[in-house]
Order: sequence, then C-alpha cells, then structure tokens
Amino acid sequence: AQSVTQPDIHITVSEGASLELRCNYSYGATPYLFWYVQSPGQGLQLLLKYFSGDTLVQGIKGFEAEFKRSQSSFNLRKPSVHWSDAAEYFCASGSGNTGKLIFGQGTTLQVKP
Amino acid sequence: DTGVSQDPRHKITKRGQNVTFRCDPISEHNRLYWYRQTLGQGPEFLTYFQNEAQLEKSRLLSDRFSAERPKGSFSTLEIQRTEQGDSAMYLCASSPNRGPVYEQYFGPGTRLTVT
Repeated sequence: AQSVTQPDIHITVSEGASLELRCNYSYGATPYLFWYVQSPGQGLQLLLKYFSGDTLVQGIKGFEAEFKRSQSSFNLRKPSVHWSDAAEYFCASGSGNTGKLIFGQGTTLQVKP
Repeated sequence: DTGVSQDPRHKITKRGQNVTFRCDPISEHNRLYWYRQTLGQGPEFLTYFQNEAQLEKSRLLSDRFSAERPKGSFSTLEIQRTEQGDSAMYLCASSPNRGPVYEQYFGPGTRLTVT
C-alpha cells in the first residue's frame, strides 16, 4: 500500500540555522508529492508541490524541496529558519484518480531564539 | 476568494449524540474532500465528492458517518451515535475544476470532542 514516512517526529533548530525535514514515500510510479504546514489549531497550508520536471521545487515562505527518486525521498529545506516557522509539517503523496492525499505522521518544528 | 470555511470550529458533545459539520468550499470548486486528523497524526482521507456525487469513501467511514453535498456546493458530514474515538479534527478541502486534482486547499477544521 502507498505510504509516506516522516522519520523525525520532533526537530528543534536555532533561529537563523538551516533546516531539513525528511520525507520518504513508497509508490511504484512517479508520485505527486506535497509539503503542508499546520499552525496550532489551524488547517493546512500548502508550501510546495512536485508533479514532474525539475526535481528541485520552490515554495512559499522561502522553502524548497528536492525529489530524489533513487532514495524515494522528498526532503524539505530552508536556509535560515525564522521563529514564525515553528509549526507542524506534513509530507503527503497523491493516490489514485480522485485526488486522495496520503499524509505522513508529521514533524513538529520548534525554533529556539 | 474567501477560502474554504468550516462550521463550527469547535464542537463538544456527549457520547451517543449526533453531530453535523458543514464545509463551504472555495467558489466554483467542484471537488471536495473530507479528512480526519487525530492527535499527533497526519490527516486521513474520509471521502471525496465531485459536484454532488460521492465518488470515494474510506473504510474509516463507518455506518455511523454520512456525508452529503446536495447541490454540489457546500457539504455536510454527520456522525451518529458519537463515540469517544470520534474525537478528532475534521478537515475539509476543495480543489479547482481544472488543473491537478491533488491541488487541495484546506479549511481551518472542526475540532470534535466527545465526552
């Protein structure tokens, strides 16, 4: 069955430091991949998406992600983290023809001043 | 464009009661999705509508759950005889008529607490 794994449940980084959140997917064909961010008590905001083409995709708020087929990964990166980036981050993969999204467990990002 | 809205934002109910949630998608989005998110987990797909037709339902959607989208605009999710295990955040998303079906825009969610 198709699945998405986020190995890190919780990550703490210092403000201004770089960030990488890991995501691994299991899917035979080229997947549709997404990163969403969720602030406490809020819905999900789409950060970026990968459908095909250039494997390095740029998103909002200075985030980028790289699709690596050989590693079945789609890691999210940001060069310099801001305190406002503290939130929960979800990686997701599209499944089937109806647009159903399969989400990972999420990674909680804490930013130290 | 006001985004996806959900009502209520919070609902506390006693076990055994029925509850109904409403989702208003972005105008003219014909695709609508419901997801459930329990504490510490990612959202799980529940059901999908294209216009008024319910095209896919998850096995998570037991007989106590029913969703409708009668005129292809807003949708309702009803849970009958609520159980404590139903406590979760219920998220609605909509997707444009054209373009990738996976490009979904989420509402703020309805948090259900069953006591």
